[in-house]
Amino acid sequence: QSALTQPASVSGSLGQLITISCTGTSSDVGSYNLVSWYQQQPGKAPKLMFYEVNKRPSGVSNRFSASKSGNTASLTISGLQAEDEAEYYCSSYAGSNTFTIFGGGSYLTVL
Amino acid sequence: QVQLQESGPRLAKPSETLSLTCSVSGGSIKSDTFYWAWIRQPPGRGLEWIGSIYYSGSRYYNPSLKSRVTMSVDTSKNQFSLMMRSVTAADTAVYFCAREVGSNSYFDSWGQGTLVTVSS
Repeated sequence: QSALTQPASVSGSLGQLITISCTGTSSDVGSYNLVSWYQQQPGKAPKLMFYEVNKRPSGVSNRFSASKSGNTASLTISGLQAEDEAEYYCSSYAGSNTFTIFGGGSYLTVL
Repeated sequence: QVQLQESGPRLAKPSETLSLTCSVSGGSIKSDTFYWAWIRQPPGRGLEWIGSIYYSGSRYYNPSLKSRVTMSVDTSKNQFSLMMRSVTAADTAVYFCAREVGSNSYFDSWGQGTLVTVSS
């Protein structure tokens, strides 16, 4: 099973809005509302940012939002801050033979 | 607040077995809500889910690793473990243990990770 497809890098200026895409197939993202997003700072463990497509755990800033349309999930960050600079990974359930897959990660640079 | 901590040898020899343990504190591993997972990250690369286990022993693995992986759980110690056989340099990675909410779902708590290097 191939990993989900994410842009390798994205960038935006302080205060701007950016969106990171996560493209899968009808066998994973398109079939299940089990997409999650993780933020990983260098040298740290990933941190859960969203689960079940758009549910935000407590403590995650509401500047972050997430959605899904068809086979593509998206993570949007508004009002970019320097602390948002990190790697972002999406993940999806991919059925009872493959289970859980991750995207390749997108590194966000805040200019 | 649950905490997870990986432990085990940081070096494994090619063709041998990699063994890691995850100790869970601040919560019981015998929870109806959670599975317990291993996820790895080769240096400079992305995340790869290895497998997940329930406290009863029910488990499921990444099909690409299934032939080499065994996970187990020790409820008396509040720990779960990973064994990966016949390792190669390609198995060099940071190995994270994590708590999975439900099965085939999401990972809400992670250990800090431990780098395991496969080298002779």
